[in-house]
Amino acid sequence: DQQVKQNSPSLSVQEGRISILNCDYTNSMFDYFLWYKKYPAEGPTFLISISSIKDKNEDGRFTVFLNKSAKHLSLHIVPSQPGDSAVYFCAASAFPDKLIFGTGTRLQVFP
Amino acid sequence: ETGVTQTPRHLVMGMTNKKSLKCEQHLGHNAMYWYKQSAKKPLELMFVYNFKEQTENNSVPSRFSPECPNSSHLFLHLHTLQPEDSALYLCASSQGVGSSRRNEKLFFGSGTQLSVL
Repeated sequence: DQQVKQNSPSLSVQEGRISILNCDYTNSMFDYFLWYKKYPAEGPTFLISISSIKDKNEDGRFTVFLNKSAKHLSLHIVPSQPGDSAVYFCAASAFPDKLIFGTGTRLQVFP
Repeated sequence: ETGVTQTPRHLVMGMTNKKSLKCEQHLGHNAMYWYKQSAKKPLELMFVYNFKEQTENNSVPSRFSPECPNSSHLFLHLHTLQPEDSALYLCASSQGVGSSRRNEKLFFGSGTQLSVL
């Protein structure tokens, strides 16, 4: 059973608009969450993280929101740019256990 | 060279072949990982090495054999693979398993796309 779920396999957004990528988890022991971004033919790269003691973390155009009661987190990209087109993976962990990844959401930002 | 380097980038092998994947990290990290990414599946952790010691084997079949001679190098030896083993194999490194949360921040290589015929 998948503990981290990204139910939208793909998302298409116009340049300049907001991209919202969603992630749901089932394990209430998860206390650290990360987003990774992956371009074709490259490995995933770390994007942004959030601890369970926070409900929001912002880094430039990227903001991650955590709703612990709903076991839901989301990544907002504002404004979206064509270079943001990639696959985004959500991951979660309950220290000191291993990271659990979602299946990824492919974001396409079109002009 | 910086970051995490994996070779080869692509590999095609028969089921009776023996091959090895190589990973090298230039980040001064102490933990190294092998992950498998199959189509439409989450990244699956295969092995973890912390300070050259294997700390996790995630129920991986014995036809996959890891080797970590030092904190900078990691190998994955392959033998008698099956077609269902075809996938992208990713190496990653991190600061090292310990009390810091920095360990979840993984640095990945570009992967080896493996096809088993």
